[in-house]
Amino acid sequence: EAQVTQNPRYLITVTGKKLTVTCSQNMNHEYMSWYRQDPGLGLRQIYYSMNVEVTDKGDVPEGYKVSRKEKRNFPLILESPSPNQTSLYFCASSILQGAGAFFGQGTRLTVV
Amino acid sequence: GENVEQHPSTLSVQEGDSAVIKCTYSDSASNYFPWYKQELGKGPQLIIDIRSNVGEKKDQRIAVTLNKTAKHFSLHITETQPEDSAVYFCAASKGGTSYGKLTFGQGTILTVHP
Repeated sequence: EAQVTQNPRYLITVTGKKLTVTCSQNMNHEYMSWYRQDPGLGLRQIYYSMNVEVTDKGDVPEGYKVSRKEKRNFPLILESPSPNQTSLYFCASSILQGAGAFFGQGTRLTVV
Repeated sequence: GENVEQHPSTLSVQEGDSAVIKCTYSDSASNYFPWYKQELGKGPQLIIDIRSNVGEKKDQRIAVTLNKTAKHFSLHITETQPEDSAVYFCAASKGGTSYGKLTFGQGTILTVHP
């Protein structure tokens, strides 16, 4: 079954404690991206990757890092989380940038 | 960059009625317009898309229309059912070899009352 898998689904952490949200896809897609979803703001892109070792900033990259060492994995790293990063996060993959994207189930992050 | 505005933010209809969600975009070079449905606790799922070389596309009870001149596109759901209740997102991107980045609207919460 084609899918994008994110872990964990829920995470509560404290300010400043580094965390990683994992994302894996099994469709051999070259393009992967991370979004955050906030009420009234829709989905905003954080970072994206065109292929292995190729990543770039999206619209709201501050406070986040990513890496793409393998085609299937695209982890999101928060080096020093802050409360304003409390949000619902989605990983997505697609054949091409901007093409119909497959989304993961989401990770609800709370930073206290 | 591209800006996508989506209206209304909430929409409440009775089962069997039609629902229409509208989006406008700013970049005339955009030519790919997908719609996503997000059910509670799940990620967005692509339900229909349209490219700028067509004006309308249908898939059973859902249809999307595109007006390139006015730079707006709409999602139409006929004979709504309670299971259509969800958040709907429109998006726009530029075509070409890389399609360009997807820019999303703010989302519409659709509630279908039995």
